[in-house]
Amino acid sequence: EVQLVESGGGLVKPGGSLRLSCAVSGFTFSNAWMTWVRQAPGKGLEWVGRIKSKASGGATDYAASVKGRFTISRDDSKNTLYLQMNSLKTDDAAVYYCVLEWFGEDHWGQGTLVTVSS
Amino acid sequence: DIVMTQTPLSSPVTLGQPASISCRSSQSLVHSDGNTYLSWLQQRPGQPPRLLIYKISNRFSGVPDRFSGSGAGTEFTLKISRVEAEDAGVYYCMQVTQSPHTFGQGTKLEIK
Repeated sequence: EVQLVESGGGLVKPGGSLRLSCAVSGFTFSNAWMTWVRQAPGKGLEWVGRIKSKASGGATDYAASVKGRFTISRDDSKNTLYLQMNSLKTDDAAVYYCVLEWFGEDHWGQGTLVTVSS
Repeated sequence: DIVMTQTPLSSPVTLGQPASISCRSSQSLVHSDGNTYLSWLQQRPGQPPRLLIYKISNRFSGVPDRFSGSGAGTEFTLKISRVEAEDAGVYYCMQVTQSPHTFGQGTKLEIK
């Protein structure tokens, strides 16, 4: 069974930083393209960004709203995906989900809550 | 970016009756590999999203066969043949054909 477990969420002040992690099991992580999606309280889903597998070049791609502030990385030896979030704004407050992409058969994690408040 | 538009945004449905949600994309979702990466997600209250349907009409593992997807190009539909109480929640269409991936606004399914 594929499992994705996010961690690292919490309360941070505007302008601060936070690093989220997503531990993957039950799948050959190195083969997967991985995505972060977020959901602000009471709102819909917003794609944050993606990292391809190293075999596909390992490129990253970001939503315009986070480009230059957020960085997605992966450690295939640890089966873990990361989201480094810098210069956080109140608009970044959301539940952050990691998603394992496999030709449309996407597996979603349970999410981790990020609160941005002074 | 591809814009995904769902209708209706809210749908009250009687238990045991069918339900249908439409999704339209602002451009074709046919990928260069020939597949159409249109998915449907279900989000029950307080839960993370769950994949129901991928590539228009393929049911994800464990999804009941009362859920079905259809469509092509820019027009897609999710149907529930007979609504059950556990189907209450918000349904999203999502395209993963082109980056950035984009979502519909969500359709709230209310069980009467």
